[in-house]
Amino acid sequence: DVVMTQSPLSLPVTLGQPASISCRSSQSLVYSDGNTYLHWFQQRPGQSPRRLIYQVSNRDSGVPDRFSGSGSGTDFTLKISRVEAEDVGIYYCMQGTHWPLTFGGGTRVEIK
Amino acid sequence: EVQLVESGGGLVQPGGSLRLSCAASGFTFSDHNMDWVRQASGKGLEWVGRSRNKADGYITEYAASVEGRFTISRDDSKNSLYLQMNSLKTEDTAVYYCARDSYGSGDYWGQGTLVTVSS
Repeated sequence: DVVMTQSPLSLPVTLGQPASISCRSSQSLVYSDGNTYLHWFQQRPGQSPRRLIYQVSNRDSGVPDRFSGSGSGTDFTLKISRVEAEDVGIYYCMQGTHWPLTFGGGTRVEIK
Repeated sequence: EVQLVESGGGLVQPGGSLRLSCAASGFTFSDHNMDWVRQASGKGLEWVGRSRNKADGYITEYAASVEGRFTISRDDSKNSLYLQMNSLKTEDTAVYYCARDSYGSGDYWGQGTLVTVSS
């Protein structure tokens, strides 16, 4: 199975400051169709997961533009340009290129 | 508005069975692959399996941890997805979510249903 490794595990951030989460995969996530199926999810406390970014860098509808995704191959990053209070939660990366689909262990974002 | 509503969770003894349902609305259910994902209390997300749509031959795929014990099915006429869980183990205890697949992962998720496997 493809192992997804996220860092850091916990990310204390000051309101209004940027935040960055890394996700590394144990294999390249480039699929035979040329797409890279790396996605990012946010899970606020007590809520269901919500997808923020699909295929590395595409924001889902309604996702604030302070969220951005980048990367290629095996190395990916989710950035929050200016953290707001509503961004508190756990962030997961997920790969959909190889079966079975696998998630990273999660990064907890909290306000300092 | 896209809605996914899971039901059928509850308390079951080890070795028992349970059938979860996911009622979909607000989109053309038959066009989409659908996923089941679970989350044990305080833990991360674990993909359970996928039901592909008619265009993809209704193929189902499973995580190794549930293969042979869980069966995913769907009824496009009822806009519903199902998860039949047999030979349940204590480690299957989790909140189970259904999710609509779009661009390779779930773009809409239900609120989840809790399954507790305990004697």
